[in-house]
Amino acid sequence: KQEVTQIPAALSVPEGENLVLNCSFTDSAIYNLQWFRQDPGKGLTSLLLIQSSQREQTSGRLNASLDKSSGRSTLYIAASQPGDSATYLCAGFQGGSEKLVFGKGTKLTVNP
Amino acid sequence: EAGVVQSPRYKIIEKKQPVAFWCNPISGHNTLYWYRQNLGQGPELLIRYENEEAVDDSQLPKDRFSAERLKGVDSTLKIQPAELGDSAVYLCASSIQGKAENIQYFGAGTRLSVL
Repeated sequence: KQEVTQIPAALSVPEGENLVLNCSFTDSAIYNLQWFRQDPGKGLTSLLLIQSSQREQTSGRLNASLDKSSGRSTLYIAASQPGDSATYLCAGFQGGSEKLVFGKGTKLTVNP
Repeated sequence: EAGVVQSPRYKIIEKKQPVAFWCNPISGHNTLYWYRQNLGQGPELLIRYENEEAVDDSQLPKDRFSAERLKGVDSTLKIQPAELGDSAVYLCASSIQGKAENIQYFGAGTRLSVL
């Protein structure tokens, strides 16, 4: 059974800092790894999707990488802003299934 | 383009009462998902529809939960009777097709509190 772990559970940084959020998974057969953002009281918004044939994806100040051999994905946020404050969740499809398995998320606070 | 619409946004009920949630997916999306998100956890899939057919309901507690997607568009999720442990946020999502490369778009969710 695929398990997705996110460390740290919470992170507080000053504005302007570059930061990395970590995601690890137990089954290397995971595919189409995604990073989502969730604001309080809101649904999830997909930020980046890394397909099985890819190793990273970039969107603006966000860069996500995937290393299936080590069972890890990272989300890099450059020049963080207070508006980046939210919970970030990673999720991937379990091999042989079309079920998206989520981590518990990292709650990010960017202080002005 | 309108996103996934869910109602109500909040619901407070006493245990043993019934409750229903409604979801309107993005137009043209044939795949619809219901997730449950407990506090401090990631969402967990309850049921997935391809058009009007439930293709994965393995995680749906069928003794008290039911769902339907008539005409392959809107969907309702029902709990009867509700238990204290059902307190959670219920999220609906939709995608063009139920394929891994298709992004799932989420609604804002219904926050259920069972007293």
